[in-house]
Amino acid sequence: GEDVEQSLFLSVREGDSSVINCTYTDSSSTYLYWYKQEPGAGLQLLTYIFSNMDMKQDQRLTVLLNKKDKHLSLRIADTQTGDSAIYFCAERETGANNLFFGTGTRLTVIP
Amino acid sequence: EPEVTQTPSHQVTQMGQEVILRCVPISNHLYFYWYRQILGQKVEFLVSFYNNEISEKSEIFDDQFSVERPDGSNFTLKIRSTKLEDSAMYFCASSEKRGGNNEQFFGPGTRLTVL
Repeated sequence: GEDVEQSLFLSVREGDSSVINCTYTDSSSTYLYWYKQEPGAGLQLLTYIFSNMDMKQDQRLTVLLNKKDKHLSLRIADTQTGDSAIYFCAERETGANNLFFGTGTRLTVIP
Repeated sequence: EPEVTQTPSHQVTQMGQEVILRCVPISNHLYFYWYRQILGQKVEFLVSFYNNEISEKSEIFDDQFSVERPDGSNFTLKIRSTKLEDSAMYFCASSEKRGGNNEQFFGPGTRLTVL
């Protein structure tokens, strides 16, 4: 079955770049997503990438997809304290509507 | 900005009791979902719902679970006889369409604690 893995914790200093990594097993994934969850809030979609793309940039966010290695990463440039949250990687396979999530990576930004 | 809302934010219940978790999806959305996250584990898909019927469900969504859209705004998840292992955060989500990049908008979750 589908499996999405992430490391649980990441700490960075304010102003540095953060890189959150994710691996997945389902080769039929069509869309891969990054969601952000702040305390007490729902999962907010940050960005997504279609499986025929290698990279997508959106302001401070850069998503890299290595389809061969089934590896997805989210880079946050100039990380701010407001970026402290849990970041979830998720994938959706062809023909399905539901998402498969990782455990989430808790990003802590140190002032 | 429209958002998905969920009530209550925290529900405590005794094992064997029935619980109903409520969600109000975004008003023009047609597809509705429930996910759950047991503490320290992954967010897991439970069920999707469209046109007043279940369109997909996972192995977790057994006969103890049911979903309903009782009126034009609410979407509910009922657990008939709760078990200790049902303790989790339950997230409702909705999307405008199916397929393509069907962005799913999530609510803040209901934390269910079964004692």
